[in-house]
Amino acid sequence: SQTIHQWPATLVQPVGSPLSLECTVEGTSNPNLYWYRQAAGRGLQLLFYSVGIGQISSEVPQNLSASRPQDRQFILSSKKLLLSDSGFYLCAWSVGERGGYTFGSGTRLTVV
Amino acid sequence: GDSVTQMEGPVTLSEEAFLTINCTYTATGYPSLFWYVQYPGEGLQLLLKATKADDKGSNKGFEATYRKETTSFHLEKGSVQVSDSAVYFCALSDRGSGTYKYIFGTGTRLKVLA
Repeated sequence: SQTIHQWPATLVQPVGSPLSLECTVEGTSNPNLYWYRQAAGRGLQLLFYSVGIGQISSEVPQNLSASRPQDRQFILSSKKLLLSDSGFYLCAWSVGERGGYTFGSGTRLTVV
Repeated sequence: GDSVTQMEGPVTLSEEAFLTINCTYTATGYPSLFWYVQYPGEGLQLLLKATKADDKGSNKGFEATYRKETTSFHLEKGSVQVSDSAVYFCALSDRGSGTYKYIFGTGTRLKVLA
């Protein structure tokens, strides 16, 4: 069966520090992968998506970046965190338009 | 572009009350429609879906019907429980460029009181 792993679950980082969040998928091949951010009390904002290895599309300009070094691995990074980067980060995958997304359990990032 | 509009919350109900959470959409094509649920501190879980007009998605007592004529996909449950307290998101699939991006509403928080 397909599973998605996302870590860490919580993270507290100082302003200006780097960030690396990792997401891996098991049990499927060539998934579409997504990074979303959910700010406190708000909806979901699509940050990046990827349809294949090395293929990254950015939805919102910001100081975050994403990479897909392997078929089932998706990484969200930042060189220098801002206070406004705080939020709940969700990784998701899909293999088609009708199946819906499967989400990871999320990472709560607090930048202090 | 495509969009999803949900009723604003929070919605507060007593246990065993009837629930409706409104969702309307705009889309240039024929999207699939979804409801997701997010329990406190967790990621989103797919609750139900409908892939074409007049389809009814159902799961755990929740139902939603894809109404093309009114561009709506309202979520309903006949008798809510305290355990249904969560945030509910309506979403549609955007087929643009084959990326299957999903567009989410802002979410509706439901609180069920015992």
